[in-house]
Amino acid sequence: EDKVVQSPLSLVVHEGDTVTLNCSYEVTNFRSLLWYKQEKKAPTFLFMLTSSGIEKKSGRLSSILDKKELFSILNITATQTGDSAVYLCAVPLTDSWGKLQFGAGTQVVVTP
Amino acid sequence: NAGVTQTPKFQVLKTGQSMTLQCAQDMNHNSMYWYRQDPGMGLRLIYYSASEGTTDKGEVPNGYNVSRLNKREFSLRLESAAPSQTSVYFCASSDRGTGTQYFGPGTRLLVL
Repeated sequence: EDKVVQSPLSLVVHEGDTVTLNCSYEVTNFRSLLWYKQEKKAPTFLFMLTSSGIEKKSGRLSSILDKKELFSILNITATQTGDSAVYLCAVPLTDSWGKLQFGAGTQVVVTP
Repeated sequence: NAGVTQTPKFQVLKTGQSMTLQCAQDMNHNSMYWYRQDPGMGLRLIYYSASEGTTDKGEVPNGYNVSRLNKREFSLRLESAAPSQTSVYFCASSDRGTGTQYFGPGTRLLVL
């Protein structure tokens, strides 16, 4: 059974801190791993990772994939209150390209 | 280019009433999806349509029906609403090439 597990479930940090979010997965025929950010609305796409060891970066956010150990990390540096959100990790399901298995998400709260 | 649009944004129903949630995308995507999101449950797939003319059940299809009207539109129908269907509903679409899903703004449904 395909599975995606995120940790921690939630965390509270102060502005300026660095945050590291984890996503581990078990998927037959892995194709890619996706990160989304969800504030009080729809999830918005952040990154898609397909190759191990290659960092994707967008501003203060970066992510890397380890296909050997079956996990991905999302880092947020110099956090701001606008980074407060739920961060979702997802992988395409084995039986159908397009369907995604989502993790439960990590709720990040950044305090001033 | 609006992306994925959903109507209505908010709806209140009485138990037993029916309604249809509308979704449209203008990205020429083949695949479309309906999710529900409940507190502590994450995103759960209700139905999906891999391509025009096909629909399949997801994780939680009971109590729902869908119609893929054309390539752009994918509707979700509640024939006899129940309080357990109180949720936020998201529509999404994806390009089969990347598998990345893009979400609509959501419909908040309250069933009394």
